[in-house]
Amino acid sequence: ILNVEQSPQSLHVQEGDSTNFTCSFPSSNFYALHWYRWETAKSPEALFVMTLNGDEKKKGRISATLNTKEGYSYLYIKGSQPEDSATYLCAFSNTGGFKTIFGAGTRLFVKA
Amino acid sequence: GAGVSQTPSNKVTEKGKYVELRCDPISGHTALYWYRQSLGQGPEFLIYFQGTGAADDSGLPNDRFFAVRPEGSVSTLKIQRTERGDSAVYLCASSWGEGSYNEQFFGPGTRLTVL
Repeated sequence: ILNVEQSPQSLHVQEGDSTNFTCSFPSSNFYALHWYRWETAKSPEALFVMTLNGDEKKKGRISATLNTKEGYSYLYIKGSQPEDSATYLCAFSNTGGFKTIFGAGTRLFVKA
Repeated sequence: GAGVSQTPSNKVTEKGKYVELRCDPISGHTALYWYRQSLGQGPEFLIYFQGTGAADDSGLPNDRFFAVRPEGSVSTLKIQRTERGDSAVYLCASSWGEGSYNEQFFGPGTRLTVL
């Protein structure tokens, strides 16, 4: 059974704090790792897709790293803003299939 | 351009009834996914289409669930003899090309409530 774990489940930070979350996934037969942001009452929005061990991606204040050998990815937010408040989902897929397995997400609350 | 759309946005039905949920993907996207999301959980994979064919339907929970995409564009998820446990948000996503490394564009979802 393919399992994707995200931690923490929820996080409360102050505006300006930097923060990070973890996504753990099976390290065998890795194919791709996705990060999505899901704001309340909106659709999930893709942040990053990573396929290579050691990949680092950056979009504004948000960045992500990937370690496929040990099966984890980190998402970092620098200088959190209230508009960053959302659920951050990671999703894993392995070779030979098209199935995308999502974690339960990390719910981020940024207080002004 | 237009994003992924799903109809209806909300559906309330009674136990035992049949429901159809519709997904209009982004024009030109050949890949289409259906997911189910329950409270406190991430989206759960149901089925993946590449063009008209279901390339992976291993996530469909049982034979009450069926999905079609007859012309390689619009897809319909069909649930027979609905049960209370089917209540969830059903999400559709589409992407370019084959392979799950492509960015998926999600619709707003259909919230299904089975009474």
